[in-house]
Amino acid sequence: SQKIEQNSEALNIQEGKTATLTCNYTNYSPAYLQWYRQDPGRGPVFLLLIRENEKEKRKERLKVTFDTTLKQSLFHITASQPADSATYLCALEAGGGNKLTFGTGTQLKVEL
Amino acid sequence: SQTIHQWPATLVQPVGSPLSLECTVEGTSNPNLYWYRQAAGRGLQLLFYSVGIGQISSEVPQNLSASRPQDRQFILSSKKLLLSDSGFYLCAWSGTPLADTQYFGPGTRLTVL
Repeated sequence: SQKIEQNSEALNIQEGKTATLTCNYTNYSPAYLQWYRQDPGRGPVFLLLIRENEKEKRKERLKVTFDTTLKQSLFHITASQPADSATYLCALEAGGGNKLTFGTGTQLKVEL
Repeated sequence: SQTIHQWPATLVQPVGSPLSLECTVEGTSNPNLYWYRQAAGRGLQLLFYSVGIGQISSEVPQNLSASRPQDRQFILSSKKLLLSDSGFYLCAWSGTPLADTQYFGPGTRLTVL
């Protein structure tokens, strides 16, 4: 069956360090993958989209990689700040241009 | 610019009562519209999506229903709420294709007692 896995345990890091979050998937062949940020009590906010023919994408302090062989995406936040604390969700297009399927998210806590 | 509204923001309803949640989008035409539910500590569960007026696709069999009476209006309903219907309901819109970037509303926190 299709599955999207994100680390369910919270990731705690120190301010200034690089945070790395992982999204693994099975039985999908997504044309692209997206990352969203969700703050408590709010709707998710789109951050980055990476296509299957792109290895890496950057936006300011954010970097996403996409390895279709490993079926994995890594999401990096460099020079992390307490304001980066949130839950980060990955989402895959389910194939054939159909709807997105979201992972359960990883909570990131950046400490002073 | 596009804006998405949801109301109410919070709702407490008794078991067996009806439900109506409304979502409207401004600043775009013919959006794809979605209803998600997020239980506490859980991921986003897609409930319904719509590609046009009167066109509703259901993802999960349940006692909820959705309607799209106007291009930019999406309504989530139930005739009789269950305890298990409690959760955070999110409406979202996207352009085409269906799996395009989605833009979420502020959500409705529903508690069924």
